[in-house]
Amino acid sequence: DSGVTQTPKHLITATGQRVTLRCSPRSGDLSVYWYQQSLDQGLQFLIQYYNGEERAKGNILERFSAQQFPDLHSELNLSSLELGDSALYFCASSTPGAKNIQYFGAGTRLSVL
Amino acid sequence: DQQVKQNSPSLSVQEGRISILNCDYTNSMFDYFLWYKKYPAEGPTFLISISSIKDKNEDGRFTVFLNKSAKHLSLHIVPSQPGDSAVYFCAASVSGNTPLVFGKGTRLSVIA
Repeated sequence: DSGVTQTPKHLITATGQRVTLRCSPRSGDLSVYWYQQSLDQGLQFLIQYYNGEERAKGNILERFSAQQFPDLHSELNLSSLELGDSALYFCASSTPGAKNIQYFGAGTRLSVL
Repeated sequence: DQQVKQNSPSLSVQEGRISILNCDYTNSMFDYFLWYKKYPAEGPTFLISISSIKDKNEDGRFTVFLNKSAKHLSLHIVPSQPGDSAVYFCAASVSGNTPLVFGKGTRLSVIA
């Protein structure tokens, strides 16, 4: 168990809808990262938050947004969903000074029908 | 462009033999490299890492080698066990709490 919790595990929705993915980092970790893994692809970085503030942005679509709350949990919001948004979404957390080892949750599998 | 490349999508090895997984990178700013293992329906699990100031790091059956001049790293698993069957991802980062750049993974099958 990595200590990173993601909910829900599975999400099935229709095109045009909006969903929210939730992540609780390991106790004490200040950084939260979101990654997307499409079929047979590596993990693609979406966005990073550090202690409530956006730290880095990757290939995140404008239809996607995220935030980190005072209790350090994070949410990834995906709107106007398209078929191509179907993927595994992983959250990871890390501790400052811990050699950038990131610990991953089990992921949320999103299916857009 | 792909900054981290794992050119072998799959690898089969007999139990007890050595597994060698390879990874190449293009960005010379990367100074920290990690290997993750992923089982189906689970998130990636950290396996071993290496800093750019080293050329080898060992942890039990797992050894990572880094060749900076060639921008190449490899993961050696000796001896390979059936439980090692998984997808292995190579990842790289610039120092600090920065995002990881992942390769596409290599699926390792260890045959008993």
